[in-house]
Amino acid sequence: ETGVTQTPRHLVMGMTNKKSLKCEQHLGHNAMYWYKQSAKKPLELMFVYSLEERVENNSVPSRFSPECPNSSHLFLHLHTLQPEDSALYLCASSQDTRTDTQYFGPGTRLTVL
Amino acid sequence: AQKITQTQPGMFVQEKEAVTLDCTYDTSDPSYGLFWYKQPSSGEMIFLIYQGSYDQQNATEGRYSLNFQKARKSANLVISASQLGDSAMYFCAMREGRGTGFQKLVFGTGTRLLVSP
Repeated sequence: ETGVTQTPRHLVMGMTNKKSLKCEQHLGHNAMYWYKQSAKKPLELMFVYSLEERVENNSVPSRFSPECPNSSHLFLHLHTLQPEDSALYLCASSQDTRTDTQYFGPGTRLTVL
Repeated sequence: AQKITQTQPGMFVQEKEAVTLDCTYDTSDPSYGLFWYKQPSSGEMIFLIYQGSYDQQNATEGRYSLNFQKARKSANLVISASQLGDSAMYFCAMREGRGTGFQKLVFGTGTRLLVSP
């Protein structure tokens, strides 16, 4: 595997379900990010981790819970989501959070019924 | 106020021709970086090109070049010799600031490019 991978690629869940999105980067980077991409809106930054510590939480509802167990893996735990949470969730990584280019994964297309 | 503006929701170009995708930005910070990403229908955001605010020359990467006009605060992407595989959404993004803190990447709303045979 190379670059940034995300699983699953597609997810359909009910509002009462609990699910997790997984991201893995194979680039040796120290920073990882979660973004949300909704139709006709710019990409929204959700969370940033640097060396496994959260450095940014962009006013995201508590029904989204991130976890970064090590610098290569990032999870987004989902529970009691709303239909408006349906979107493409993109993970990215960079060498650091200050100056470096971010490289993205293919995204998870989430549909909340 | 919007920091990144992409005024072209959609653009059409014929194969083998060049196309320019517009991007203007707004910042008062002297140190910033400008990026272009391509997003095919598969969803992945693919990094194309980067321009630093202090770079003297326009960035180029293969068929991609960035027309950086600092005084006008514009960072247009030029794709030469368009190919069918260039059909995708294109996003302009800006990173502001210098220092030890986290530097946020702000994206525009994107331009959809369609390349016809």
